[in-house]
Amino acid sequence: AQSVTQPDIHITVSEGASLELRCNYSYGATPYLFWYVQSPGQGLQLLLKYFSGDTLVQGIKGFEAEFKRSQSSFNLRKPSVHWSDAAEYFCAASRNDMRFGAGTRLTVKP
Amino acid sequence: SQTIHQWPATLVQPVGSPLSLECTVEGTSNPNLYWYRQAAGRGLQLLFYSVGIGQISSEVPQNLSASRPQDRQFILSSKKLLLSDSGFYLCAWSQLQETQYFGPGTRLLVL
Repeated sequence: AQSVTQPDIHITVSEGASLELRCNYSYGATPYLFWYVQSPGQGLQLLLKYFSGDTLVQGIKGFEAEFKRSQSSFNLRKPSVHWSDAAEYFCAASRNDMRFGAGTRLTVKP
Repeated sequence: SQTIHQWPATLVQPVGSPLSLECTVEGTSNPNLYWYRQAAGRGLQLLFYSVGIGQISSEVPQNLSASRPQDRQFILSSKKLLLSDSGFYLCAWSQLQETQYFGPGTRLLVL
């Protein structure tokens, strides 16, 4: 069955530290891949997406993600986290329908 | 550019009362439309999606229904709310099966 897994429910990083949020997918063929961010009480905002081509995708707010076919992964990274990055992050994949991971809550320590 | 609106932003309703949440999209034609629910601290659950006027697919059988009376309007309804209907309701749109864009959400509290 098609699924998206975010192994980390909650991650805490210090402001200025690097960040990597993990995402794995299980699909018969490579799906479209997405990362969204959700601040408390808000809707989801698209950070970046991968359809094909360059496996390193740049997004908004300084985020990037790398598609690794061999690992069925699409991990989100940021070299230096800001306090305003504290939010819930969702990975999603789509072939004919979009499936979301359970989300990773990011806490940023001062 | 495309925008998506949801209202109301917040709603407090008693158990057994009816519900109507509205979602409208501007700047695009014939979008796919989606309703999701997000319970506190949980991920997204797809409730309904629509590929055209009057075409509604239900993902989870429950107390809710959806309608699409116009191309860019999507309504989520209930005749009698349950406590378990409390949550954060998100509407989204997409073109074909590609990127989904989300509205600001409606927080529903059923008491």
